[in-house]
Amino acid sequence: DTEVTQTPKHLVMGMTNKKSLKCEQHMGHRAMYWYKQKAKKPPELMFVYSYEKLSINESVPSRFSPECPNSSLLNLHLHALQPEDSALYLCASSQDGAGVYEQYFGPGTRLTVT
Amino acid sequence: GDSVTQMEGPVTLSEEAFLTINCTYTATGYPSLFWYVQYPGEGLQLLLKATKADDKGSNKGFEATYRKETTSFHLEKGSVQVSDSAVYFCALTADYGNKLVFGAGTILRVKS
Repeated sequence: DTEVTQTPKHLVMGMTNKKSLKCEQHMGHRAMYWYKQKAKKPPELMFVYSYEKLSINESVPSRFSPECPNSSLLNLHLHALQPEDSALYLCASSQDGAGVYEQYFGPGTRLTVT
Repeated sequence: GDSVTQMEGPVTLSEEAFLTINCTYTATGYPSLFWYVQYPGEGLQLLLKATKADDKGSNKGFEATYRKETTSFHLEKGSVQVSDSAVYFCALTADYGNKLVFGAGTILRVKS
């Protein structure tokens, strides 16, 4: 099974709302990632968790807050977002943080900030 | 820093035509190389990978060979189908870390 699941599929939120995106994998992977993808662009890395510890934060604004409750779950908490944060948010996982291991992506959450 | 350059699209082909999407890279060390495909409205799917020089990755009729001497990883398919219409991303990871570096993506449109 090489599946990464993400919920919700779509999310519309106002600039004062608080919401969370969820990601789950059951492949025993120890590295998990959040990416942001704007239309017609490649994904941009936001955060990396390795063995449940935050290992990379690509200078993401604090209105995005990641959380890794256990090795299978990854959350992204959203608060006070801006319209320019509207995008497809992709979760991915890999066996561990070594570069030879491929990343498996979920289907994404399409976020619209109004 | 590490980077990936892909040919610009869109690439428009007729069904059963031969496909080549060029990809070249710049990296220190010995990167692993990947092709990902994104169908409309979906996430990215791993298409194929190669982890060392002269490796050939293949999947679903697609192939790419890791060429260290030309720092290239061109994607090829002998006969495309309408269902291959998607965006194709070439990517690399450096051997010391887990950051995927993507090319800009190439839109492929296949007409029947």
